[in-house]
Amino acid sequence: EVVLTQSPATLTLSPGERATLSCRASQSVGSYLAWYQQKPGQAPRLLIYDVSNRATGIPARFSGSGSGTDFTLTISSLEPEDFAVYYCQQRSNWPPLTFGGGTKVEIK
Amino acid sequence: EVQLLESGGGLVQPGGSLRLACAASGLSFSSTNYAMAWVRQAPGKGLEWVSIITGRTDRTYYADSMTGRLTISRDNSKDTLYLQMSSLRAEDTAIYYCAKCSLTGTTRCNFDSWGQGTLVTVSS
Repeated sequence: EVVLTQSPATLTLSPGERATLSCRASQSVGSYLAWYQQKPGQAPRLLIYDVSNRATGIPARFSGSGSGTDFTLTISSLEPEDFAVYYCQQRSNWPPLTFGGGTKVEIK
Repeated sequence: EVQLLESGGGLVQPGGSLRLACAASGLSFSSTNYAMAWVRQAPGKGLEWVSIITGRTDRTYYADSMTGRLTISRDNSKDTLYLQMSSLRAEDTAIYYCAKCSLTGTTRCNFDSWGQGTLVTVSS
């Protein structure tokens, strides 16, 4: 099973600042890494798939990078609606499909 | 736009059974080849993939934590996904989401549509 480790657990930033979230895989997942955003009381929403492709309707301030075992989600300038929990997910080595433990981006 | 609506959650005693349903609109199960999945989230915890069923061949896969206690199925005539759960334990308490694979013809999925979830509480 591929274990995805996200860091930091919590990121405290102000609107307008840049957010950098990390996801590390226990073995290579190639380019099969996605990111989701989840707000309180809501279902997750797909942001990024296959490392760097934005899903439909996702603003350009969200970008993804990386390959193999180390991946990054960057939010270039935080908007108030971006404060949420972010999860990475791999679809390379399965079953099972696995998710990271999440990074909470909170307002400073 | 695809919409998914789960139902069937509730309070169940340890060892009990429950059947969840997920009705899809804006998506025809019979004319598309998207796999459908269940993902759960325990209170205050992260996401955990539970089960997935292929689009046309009805092959099924389960997380090890629930193997033998789950049956996933789909009714293409009703555009509805199901999850039959048995021998439920306290640690199965979670919100259960149904989710649609973003790609056709595969179970190596990202999920681009999610329901709002249905809460399953296992407690005496």
